[in-house]
Amino acid sequence: QSVLTQPPSASGTPGQRVTISCSGGNSNIGGNTVNWYQQLPGMAPKLLIYSNDQRPSGVPDRFSGSKSGTSASLAIRGLQSDDEADYHCAAWDDSLNGWVFGGGTKLTVL
Amino acid sequence: QVHLQVSGPGLVKPSETLSLTCNVTGGSISSYYWSWIRQPPGRGLEWVGYVFFSGGTNYNPSLKRRVTIAVDKSKKYFSLKLTSVTAADTAMYYCARLQISGTNNWFDPWGQGTLVTVSS
Repeated sequence: QSVLTQPPSASGTPGQRVTISCSGGNSNIGGNTVNWYQQLPGMAPKLLIYSNDQRPSGVPDRFSGSKSGTSASLAIRGLQSDDEADYHCAAWDDSLNGWVFGGGTKLTVL
Repeated sequence: QVHLQVSGPGLVKPSETLSLTCNVTGGSISSYYWSWIRQPPGRGLEWVGYVFFSGGTNYNPSLKRRVTIAVDKSKKYFSLKLTSVTAADTAMYYCARLQISGTNNWFDPWGQGTLVTVSS
């Protein structure tokens, strides 16, 4: 049981816009920034979004992040087959004094 | 750029100690935090702990009694030891650099990970 809650799966067709939600509480998302990681099949996770809405160099602007209260969202526009991956949200938790993750969302491109 | 490489046994017997190392190349190990994160098969990520280059540590409370993370600056690697392992410790183990900017922090980059299976 992960501290942050994500839907286990999401899907879309090429070119569509999809969003993935991440829900937490006051001790984590509510008081700290959220990061998103993309995990391609058989690969290690890779930083996709940091500090709620910042993209590292090299990440396409099709990916965007947002946060409101105790929830965060990852949006992917112009969906491509290469986007098929697991997406994980993460945040520092003040009560745990450590990082917590969501259970991951498996994105399928139909 | 910084590259992280995990190494260590892929099979550990129950009740024994899991030991992994993460070699840091292409950049300095100093002035950074270094972390271990694991992922049981078919499940989400779980933060294990981190070490600062000077040696300070912070561990996941659920693992604290069994975990030790250390850094060797001269050899440019950091290590994970997890004692008294059970089948529940079977997972992909990743190492990662922890980036801190003010009150913001994130893991980047990540090593390729290694699967550790606990079985007799």
